Amino acid sequence: QKEVEQDPGPLSVPEGAIVSLNCTYSNSAFQYFMWYRQYSRKGPELLMYTYSSGNKEDGRFTAQVDKSSKYISLFIRDSQPSDSATYLCAMRGASGTYKYIFGTGTRLKVLA
Amino acid sequence: NAGVTQTPKFRILKIGQSMTLQCAQDMNHNYMYWYRQDPGMGLKLIYYSVGAGITDKGEVPNGYNVSRSTTEDFPLRLELAAPSQTSVYFCASSYDTGRDEQFFGPGTRLTVL
Repeated sequence: QKEVEQDPGPLSVPEGAIVSLNCTYSNSAFQYFMWYRQYSRKGPELLMYTYSSGNKEDGRFTAQVDKSSKYISLFIRDSQPSDSATYLCAMRGASGTYKYIFGTGTRLKVLA
Repeated sequence: NAGVTQTPKFRILKIGQSMTLQCAQDMNHNYMYWYRQDPGMGLKLIYYSVGAGITDKGEVPNGYNVSRSTTEDFPLRLELAAPSQTSVYFCASSYDTGRDEQFFGPGTRLTVL
């Protein structure tokens, strides 16, 4: 079993839709959770960062962490064609652990 | 600030050749990382460094070597290139505390034939 599982997609949605992207994980030691966005032929860039369980909102983006279910989500409201990219989840354990585990990424296409 | 820079952008190697992928950052970050990204496989950590003179293996270190003589530079060396090393290589850096944000370079596309 992979430590982090992420549906590769592709996921196609119409402009304005609410998008839900998810990752599941098996290692209960993970405490820091991140979502990166990667445009084609570019390096990933950090979108959202959360520590432990709970929700975090930033503009049209909301990140949720449910540690009891080992499940994290990224919601995109009012999706735009410019949101078309691959979204990677990433996570790591306690402070002092610098080995990040990345999901395989979900390819999202927002249709105008 | 240039951020994280990587050279070259593209390279084709023959089996058995060697090369060094260059990575530099101008943000005074202590932590630097090398990843490879294969289609459908996500990012895999090759090596990382928590400061000049200190490096450690990641998930997939075989066939690679690194050094960190300065805070700014973190080159990745491929010895005896193999087709399995065909991939996109990303270098990243981060602060040693805080938001865990890793800043990625634009990547090097390497093909081994």
